[in-house]
Order: sequence, then C-alpha cells, then structure tokens
Amino acid sequence: DAGITQSPRHKVTETGTPVTLRCHQTENHRYMYWYRQDPGHGLRLIHYSYGVKDTDKGEVSDGYSVSRSKTEDFLLTLESATSSQTSVYFCAISKPRGPGANVLTFGAGSRLTVL
Amino acid sequence: GNSVTQMEGPVTLSEEAFLTINCTYTATGYPSLFWYVQYPGEGLQLLLKATKADDKGSNKGFEATYRKETTSFHLEKGSVQVSDSAVYFCALSDSGGSNYKLTFGKGTLLTVNP
Repeated sequence: DAGITQSPRHKVTETGTPVTLRCHQTENHRYMYWYRQDPGHGLRLIHYSYGVKDTDKGEVSDGYSVSRSKTEDFLLTLESATSSQTSVYFCAISKPRGPGANVLTFGAGSRLTVL
Repeated sequence: GNSVTQMEGPVTLSEEAFLTINCTYTATGYPSLFWYVQYPGEGLQLLLKATKADDKGSNKGFEATYRKETTSFHLEKGSVQVSDSAVYFCALSDSGGSNYKLTFGKGTLLTVNP
C-alpha cells in the first residue's frame, strides 16, 4: 500500500451520524476512486475524481458525497449513515499515461460498521 | 453497460493442482482486461492484464489470454501453492471519454490446502 493511506482503518458508528473517510496519496496520480466491497457484490464504484474539484458518480453513489480540494486527498462523506452502508471501503488511484498507466493501486481499506 | 461474470466460488484445491477461474465480459468498444488478487486483510493488487485481443498476461505463474471471439479472460495456473489462497477478481476498463474506471466481477475465493 505504499503511497496510499486510508483513515480511519476501522470505525463503528450509529445510524444517523455523519462519517468521513479519508484517502491520502503521495504518488501525485490524477485519478482517485472510492469503492465499497460487500459479500456477493464484489467491488462497486461509489465516486471517482479525475482532477482537483472534478468528481463524478459511480454506480452506487446514493447517500455518499466526495470532495477533492487538492491532488493528494479524496474524502468520502456519509452525511447520515445507515446500516446498509456497513461495508469495507477501498480507495484507489491511477494515472492516465506512462509506466503503469490505467492500473489501479488500492489502499488497505476502511471497515465501517453502522449500528 | 459493462459487466463481468466470473465463476462463483469458493474453489478448494490441493497444492500442485491445476487452477482455472472463468471470466467472461460484456463491453462496448475494446476494453482492457485485468485480474486482481486480494490476500486476507489487504487491498486488491494487480496480478496481470491484457490490453488487446489475443494478448496474454502473465505473472507469478498465472496466465490469462484476452479472447475477443468468446469475450473471455480465464485465469490459469499450472501448479497452485498454499500461498495462492486469496480472492481473485476479474475486471475490465471503461476507457470512454476522458476518464478511466474499472468494472469488477464478484470475486472468487480460492483456498489451497497442503
């Protein structure tokens, strides 16, 4: 997971509370992504970013928002957490050109439990 | 839209057995294809990739060939080891426009017993 750090790694919260997960990269990659991993569903894209302040929705974006105010940080916010958002969240980065282009590098994951 | 279908697990093999994990896809255009591996408690990491038809990706004894005629990218290894126990994900790229995204299959859990 060199170059990409997720925080917190584990969090337990209650329904209705706001939660923010942080992804920090030191690779200066242009693209950043948030995925969630659930049994029977594999990985599903929540939101992604293709530059500072440039973000777009993935296939399961309802209930989530993101922000990217600088290249190295991509924040995922659950405004009001629900039990259906209990999951493992993975951040990933990629670059559009050069060696290793278009290959996703993943963080170690953030396990979120909503009670 | 794009989709990836891979064989459901779990798959349990003895050490030195032959491994095949099937993967088929639906996509418009000419996607790149990937296999990622996830070891227990870790994030995903790239295992191999192929960017055009008939390309063969290979790494750590694993191989997969991009078959456009059958829209498949099956993962194979001739002799598995206990250390290969992990979850394997097939994925394809969406290279439309100026952005780049991956669509993943649901994953196949492989357990290799000594």
